[in-house]
Amino acid sequence: QKEVEQDPGPLSVPEGAIVSLNCTYSNSAFQYFMWYRQYSRKGPELLMYTYSSGNKEDGRFTAQVDKSSKYISLFIRDSQPSDSATYLCATATQGGSEKLVFGKGTKLTVNP
Amino acid sequence: GAVVSQHPSRVICKSGTSVKIECRSLDFQATTMFWYRQFPKQSLMLMATSNEGSKATYEQGVEKDKFLINHASLTLSTLTVTSAHPEDSSFYICSYSGGSYEQYFGPGTRLTVT
Repeated sequence: QKEVEQDPGPLSVPEGAIVSLNCTYSNSAFQYFMWYRQYSRKGPELLMYTYSSGNKEDGRFTAQVDKSSKYISLFIRDSQPSDSATYLCATATQGGSEKLVFGKGTKLTVNP
Repeated sequence: GAVVSQHPSRVICKSGTSVKIECRSLDFQATTMFWYRQFPKQSLMLMATSNEGSKATYEQGVEKDKFLINHASLTLSTLTVTSAHPEDSSFYICSYSGGSYEQYFGPGTRLTVT
């Protein structure tokens, strides 16, 4: 079993839809959870960063972490064509090595 | 966020040659940086972690003699793919640690070995 599982999609939604992206992980030692957005042929950029369980909201984006079920989510409200990208979840332990473990990424297309 | 550049953005080389990829932090100094490799439709796979002034720590399965990393200064790191082969063709991305597990990624280098 991979440490971080993420459905690669692709996922296609109409503009204005609510998008739900999800990952599961197996290592209970993971404490830090991140979502990165990666446009085609570009490096990833950090979208959301949360520590331990709970919700975090930033504009149209909400990140949720449920450590009891080892499930992390990213919600995008009022999705826009500019949100079309690949979204990668990532996790890290408290080990201090700062190594990130990434999911495969979900390719999202928002159609105008 | 921090600005990280990579050069070149794309390179094509012949099998058996060596290729050097530069990664620069443009607006801050970082003691720790990472090199990743990403195959099509695959996740980013960490290749190595390096700290300025010391030897890189390679992940299991990554040949340190093939992928030479030099973290010469707080703003520059290089990855040299030696004796490249077609199976080394991939998207190589560097990142700098911003602390608290935040990482700032470069735009990536597409390597094609013919």
